[in-house]
Amino acid sequence: DSGVTQTPKHLITATGQRVTLRCSPRSGDLSVYWYQQSLDQGLQFLIQYYNGEERAKGNILERFSAQQFPDLHSELNLSSLELGDSALYFCASSDHRGSYEQYFGPGTRLTVT
Amino acid sequence: QQQVKQSPQSLIVQKGGISIINCAYENTAFDYFPWYQQFPGKGPALLIAIRPDVSEKKEGRFTISFNKSAKQFSLHIMDSQPGDSATYFCAASSYYGQNFVFGPGTRLSVLP
Repeated sequence: DSGVTQTPKHLITATGQRVTLRCSPRSGDLSVYWYQQSLDQGLQFLIQYYNGEERAKGNILERFSAQQFPDLHSELNLSSLELGDSALYFCASSDHRGSYEQYFGPGTRLTVT
Repeated sequence: QQQVKQSPQSLIVQKGGISIINCAYENTAFDYFPWYQQFPGKGPALLIAIRPDVSEKKEGRFTISFNKSAKQFSLHIMDSQPGDSATYFCAASSYYGQNFVFGPGTRLSVLP
């Protein structure tokens, strides 16, 4: 168990809908990363937050957004969902105090029908 | 320049054999090279990592070899076991993890 929690574990929704994925980092970790993993794309970095502020942006679509709250949990919002958004979404955290190590949560499996 | 290449895509090894997975990078600013292990339905788990100031790091049956001049690094799994069957990802990072790039993954199957 990495100490990173993600909810929900599974999510099934229809095209055009909006969903919110939640992540709680390990105790004391200030950085949260979001990744998308689909069968043919590997692990794609989406976005990173550090202590409430956006720190880095990867291949995140404009339909997707994220935020990190004062208690350090993070939410990833996916809107106008398309079939191609079906994937595993992982959150990872790191303490960012001289450590590069990222610890991954169990993921949320999103299925768009 | 941000890409990390990984090979092979899949690997089948007999129990007790050595599994070798290779990665290559271009960005010389990368200064942290971890390997992650992922079982089906689970999140990636950090296995072992190396910094460019050493050429080799060993933890149990897992060894990272690092060649800075060639910009290549590899994972060696000694005495491979069926329980090692998983997907392995190499990655590279710089600037305290702000620039984290994963390889495409290698699916390892260890036959009993």
